This record gives sequence, structure tokens and C-alpha cells, in this order.
Amino acid sequence: GAGVSQSPSNKVTEKGKDVELRCDPISGHTALYWYRQSLGQGLEFLIYFQGNSAPDKSGLPSDRFSAERTGGSVSTLTIQRTQQEDSAVYLCASSPLGTRNEQFFGPGTRLTVL
Amino acid sequence: SQQGEEDPQALSIQEGENATMNCSYKTSINNLQWYRQNSGRGLVHLILIRSNEREKHSGRLRVTLDTSKKSSSLLITASRAADTASYFCATDASTSGTYKYIFGTGTRLKVLA
Repeated sequence: GAGVSQSPSNKVTEKGKDVELRCDPISGHTALYWYRQSLGQGLEFLIYFQGNSAPDKSGLPSDRFSAERTGGSVSTLTIQRTQQEDSAVYLCASSPLGTRNEQFFGPGTRLTVL
Repeated sequence: SQQGEEDPQALSIQEGENATMNCSYKTSINNLQWYRQNSGRGLVHLILIRSNEREKHSGRLRVTLDTSKKSSSLLITASRAADTASYFCATDASTSGTYKYIFGTGTRLKVLA
């Protein structure tokens, strides 16, 4: 079946512009996660959606970052007024029934802020 | 230091040798998972071990968990060049209403043909 997909695969933007990153999770997975990974580093948790519950936003680094999950499926991560330090690969993952299961990762969006 | 630190940071071995990576963490966990990341296939789940388990096997992979020492190890036997990748442990310490799933910084494994 189809895995987690993300778009765009690459995004180059200018400092100060807003960007939207999209994630399509595996159908039927109730949990969706956003992470970011800087070059050569591990994954930094950003936000977690579980079903219809309020998302856990504790990992968002600033109020420039926000995310939505519409209809319990597709998610959009928005970064406003991008800064050069926002440059990273943004990874989305989904899992059935939350964190007690393995997470299935998408290919990521490589964001470059000039 | 953060939850889920891998050791060593980098490892280079010859094809056919075994590779062992370690992960240490700080808090009680529900489970611990190992993932592999390479440029070709992205981040892929390898194995999950629950807090009440001590050892699990999957093909050439063997994972141990010692909750008293808050540590886990990943052993890859008879390594192949295709095993070259970064390996991450991830700990799930979530509680009701609180998400806490932390990836370590990874071990970069290079298997030489």
C-alpha cells in the first residue's frame, strides 16, 4: 500500500517568506508526527496529532511554527517569516494507535532558507 | 545530555563482521525502537522492544534492553555493505496526555566491502 508522502520534496525560499509543507499519512493511521533534522543530527520532535485530541505542540521551537491536521488525515506544517536556522529536512511520520507502534516516515521535505 | 544517546557516534567495520551500537536513556520508558536511515530509503523502522522484554531478534538484528541500566544495544551480525547507514534509537516515554518520544543523535555505521 501507499506509504507516507510529503510535498514538496525540496523547497528553497528567501528569509522572511512563509512556507507550507504537506504530509499525507498512511490511510487509517490515527497518529501523525512532525520532526525536523538538521544536517548530521538526530530528529527533533515538533508536533504530534493523535486522533481528535488536541495536538501536542510542545516541540514547536517558536510561534512562527504551526501545524494543522484536517479531517484526521492530511497535515500542513507552516513556518512563517522563515529564518536561515529553519533550514533542515522536515520529516512526517504516522502510526496506528499512537506511540506504542512503529512510526512510518515519509521521505521528508528539504527546506533551504537563503 | 539528552534522552536516547547512541554510542559510538561512528563505527567502521569490514563486511562480515558484527556491529554493535548502544543507546542510553534517562527516564522510564514504554518501549524503545531502533531505526535506520540512509540516503536511498529514508528513515525505516527496524525493531521495537517493549519495557518488559529483554531481547528481540529480527533476521540479522538482535536488540537487548536493560531497564535497570537504562540502556539498549543493537547488534548486526554478518554485516553487509548495504548496512551502511545511520542508526537511531528512539524512546517512548509518553504518558496519558503527554507525548514524549525522543530520538538519539545516531550512530553512523560504515561497512567496508
